Amino acid sequence: DGGITQSPKYLFRKEGQNVTLSCEQNLNHDAMYWYRQDPGQGLRLIYYSQIVNDFQKGDIAEGYSVSREKKESFPLTVTSAQKNPTAFYLCARSIFGEQYFGPGTRLTVT
Amino acid sequence: KNEVEQSPQNLTAQEGEFITINCSYSVGISALHWLQQHPGGGIVSLFMLSSGKKKHGRLIATINIQEKHSSLHITASHPRDSAVYICAVGSGNTGKLIFGQGTTLQVKP
Repeated sequence: DGGITQSPKYLFRKEGQNVTLSCEQNLNHDAMYWYRQDPGQGLRLIYYSQIVNDFQKGDIAEGYSVSREKKESFPLTVTSAQKNPTAFYLCARSIFGEQYFGPGTRLTVT
Repeated sequence: KNEVEQSPQNLTAQEGEFITINCSYSVGISALHWLQQHPGGGIVSLFMLSSGKKKHGRLIATINIQEKHSSLHITASHPRDSAVYICAVGSGNTGKLIFGQGTTLQVKP
């Protein structure tokens, strides 16, 4: 699992509800990332964090929020403001430039 | 135009064939990554390279910094190599990556 756990693997929500995706790492690495993958498109960066209590927007941050209160945890909230939330979400950690990905959460919003 | 372009988008091969996947990029980079994504969705890192060539088992990755081009080769391909292969480039010290769209490889027995 690359030292990263994501839960749940599949998540279903009704439109208009906020939903939080979990990402936990057990290797004490500083840098963590959230990506979104849509069919036929490359991964796109949503948010990243290089240290606790600090995070930066990626290319598609609108409609998402994150927190980094602990080094090991970087949860992503998909808010009702995200127009097309149905996607595959991947969390990653990084050390020395190498990225290690979690197994992903497939979110379906109907 | 995407900053990272891969070709081909789809590739079908017979078991045993030599396979090449190409990646071109248009930005300055600190490193180039080759990743593998299996149907379940999980992604594993195959190579991270900033110059020359790396080999791991039947996989070889090369990069030409001047031409801004990298190739991933698979020798003696096997059906278990069937997956999506993704090229990604990193620049700066944030660890952020820019991804290509991926190459879907199917190896038939």
